[in-house]
Amino acid sequence: AQSVTQLGSHVSVSEGALVLLRCNYSSSVPPYLFWYVQYPNQGLQLLLKYTSAATLVKGINGFEAEFKKSETSFHLTKPSAHMSDAAEYFCAVSPYSSASKIIFGSGTRLSIRP
Amino acid sequence: GAGVSQSPSNKVTEKGKDVELRCDPISGHTALYWYRQSLGQGLEFLIYFQGNSAPDKSGLPSDRFSAERTGGSVSTLTIQRTQQEDSAVYLCASSPRRTGKTGELFFGEGSRLTVL
Repeated sequence: AQSVTQLGSHVSVSEGALVLLRCNYSSSVPPYLFWYVQYPNQGLQLLLKYTSAATLVKGINGFEAEFKKSETSFHLTKPSAHMSDAAEYFCAVSPYSSASKIIFGSGTRLSIRP
Repeated sequence: GAGVSQSPSNKVTEKGKDVELRCDPISGHTALYWYRQSLGQGLEFLIYFQGNSAPDKSGLPSDRFSAERTGGSVSTLTIQRTQQEDSAVYLCASSPRRTGKTGELFFGEGSRLTVL
C-alpha cells in the first residue's frame, strides 16, 4: 500500500524567497511520484513527475523536486517565489509496477507575501 | 471539448435525496478516476476505472456510493440517500494509458455538492 504525507497545511513565504514544500511517501514497491497544483478557481494540473529516470525533476514555472529514496522524500522547491505561485499543492504517489490508483496527500496551501 | 467535462458544476440537494454526477473524459483516455475534495481534507480517492478491467472501488466510503462507466467513456457517480457529510467537490480525472506508466491525470473542474 502507498501513502503520502505533506508536512504543513499552509506555508507562507515572501516574494523572492525560497519555496520548500515537503512530501514524504510510503510505498511497498518502487513508486512514481507527482506534484500537482491547483490555482484558485481552477482545476488541478500536473506540475512535475518522477518516473525512475533522473532523481532531480524539473517542472513548469521554475519548480523542481528531488527524489531521495533514503529519506522517502520528494520535496518541491523553487528558488524565488512569485506572487503567481500562490496556490494549493498536492503530492501524489503511485506504484509503477502496475497500473493502479494515484494516492494524493492532503495538500499544502502556499501564500506569497509582497 | 478538449478537456474533462463534469456536470453539474453545482448541485444543492436535500438530505436523503439521490444525486448523480456525470463525467465526460477526454476522448481515447482509458483510465478514469473519481476523487472527493473536502475543505482541508485534500483529495480522497473514490474509484478507478481502467479499460475493461473491473473497477477499483476501494475508496468508496459507503454502499450509498456507486459509479459506473458505460462503453469505456462517460462515467456517472451516484450517491444515494445523501447526508450532510457528503458535501464536497467531486473531481473526475482521466488518463491516456495505464496511469502508472504515464502519471498524468487530466482533471475536470469538479461538481460541487451541497447537502442541506
